[in-house]
Amino acid sequence: GAGVSQSPSNKVTEKGKDVELRCDPISGHTALYWYRQSLGQGLEFLIYFQGNSAPDKSGLPSDRFSAERTGGSVSTLTIQRTQQEDSAVYLCASSAPHRGGGNTIYFGEGSWLTVV
Amino acid sequence: GENVEQHPSTLSVQEGDSAVIKCTYSDSASNYFPWYKQELGKRPQLIIDIRSNVGEKKDQRIAVTLNKTAKHFSLHITETQPEDSAVYFCAAGLNSGYSTLTFGKGTMLLVSP
Repeated sequence: GAGVSQSPSNKVTEKGKDVELRCDPISGHTALYWYRQSLGQGLEFLIYFQGNSAPDKSGLPSDRFSAERTGGSVSTLTIQRTQQEDSAVYLCASSAPHRGGGNTIYFGEGSWLTVV
Repeated sequence: GENVEQHPSTLSVQEGDSAVIKCTYSDSASNYFPWYKQELGKRPQLIIDIRSNVGEKKDQRIAVTLNKTAKHFSLHITETQPEDSAVYFCAAGLNSGYSTLTFGKGTMLLVSP
């Protein structure tokens, strides 16, 4: 696709419910990242995929958070038993590492999650 | 792991003035330092980056400098315009492309006409 696509763009959910956020990276990008941005805060790293594997899950804040990537393309971030502190914009990004270096990552528009 | 500190958190300037945002990083292995601009409600977008084999890079009104010894890098915007108003994020990571980027907490730049 032309860019990183995320859905839904906005999601309001009740505390305790599960949510799934979807990311469709730029075609051909092997690396995929999830970041979280709380109001007025920076970009908090959550998880990184290279292909279908996740070599770095160190940013997931609790075991309520999980992510998977199938077919080396689309990724889903799942938050179970949502809490109000989970309210944030969840940004997905992708990149195409290449010989000679380079790690330019391209962000999607984000999924704005509000837990009420 | 890498830790990136960014200052200031907010910066207000008059149109035409220069703006400087500074970042420090902790991991001496980091060799790739991009800067992203995020306008209100929009996605962060890369505006310039620098790799550790150079000390300075310029693109029109924007320049970045890197001091590897001191582990700090800076963004310089000259002749600021109202459309430069946004949140700017610095980041540090490896140039290999097979690793994550660690971001600073961002600087909100306000350019008054």
